[in-house]
Amino acid sequence: QSALTQPPSVSGSPGQSVTISCTGTSSDVGSYNRVSWYQQSPGTAPKLMIYEVSNRPSGVPDRFSGSKSGNTASLTISGLQAEDEADYYCSLYTTNSLVIFGGGTKLTVL
Amino acid sequence: QVQVVESGGGVVQSGRSLRLSCSASGFNFRNYGMHWVRQAPGKGLEWVAVIWYDGSNKYYADSVKGRFTVSRDNSKNMLYLQMNSLRAEDTAVYYCPRDTSGRFDYWGQGTLVTVSS
Repeated sequence: QSALTQPPSVSGSPGQSVTISCTGTSSDVGSYNRVSWYQQSPGTAPKLMIYEVSNRPSGVPDRFSGSKSGNTASLTISGLQAEDEADYYCSLYTTNSLVIFGGGTKLTVL
Repeated sequence: QVQVVESGGGVVQSGRSLRLSCSASGFNFRNYGMHWVRQAPGKGLEWVAVIWYDGSNKYYADSVKGRFTVSRDNSKNMLYLQMNSLRAEDTAVYYCPRDTSGRFDYWGQGTLVTVSS
């Protein structure tokens, strides 16, 4: 299975909104709803931000939201804050618990 | 509190073997599937392997199939990754996140494996 496609980088100013896309095919993203998003700051472990396309774990600010349309899932961060600067990864959980990750997107807060 | 702690990393020569361990605490380990995920220096996350909650099924990424073996001991709350025939491209930080209904909700800090030629 091929990695999901994410833009290498996105940027935004404090207070703005940014959206990170995660594109697959009709055989993966288009067929499964167990899409998750992880945030990773340098030198730290990934942190779950969104699961099952649009659900937020407790403790994750509601500025973070997820959606899916066709073969593309998206993570939107509204009201951007300096602390949001990090790498973001999408993942897809498929048959037999196999997992595909996206290549990762570096978010820069200007 | 829920914790997973990876250990066993280090520097190993190409072609040799290494076994990683993952100690779980704060939750009923035998009820959860567990994965290994790795991250090469400066690169993205790569899924490596999964073992179901009871050890009945195991699946691997093509890049490690036939060389790595995942196992668990539910009586000790331990997860393992036996890595054989190591290659330079296996150099990475290895994580053992918990699988809760298809999401990785708890991660450890990882253990670094460096394969030298």
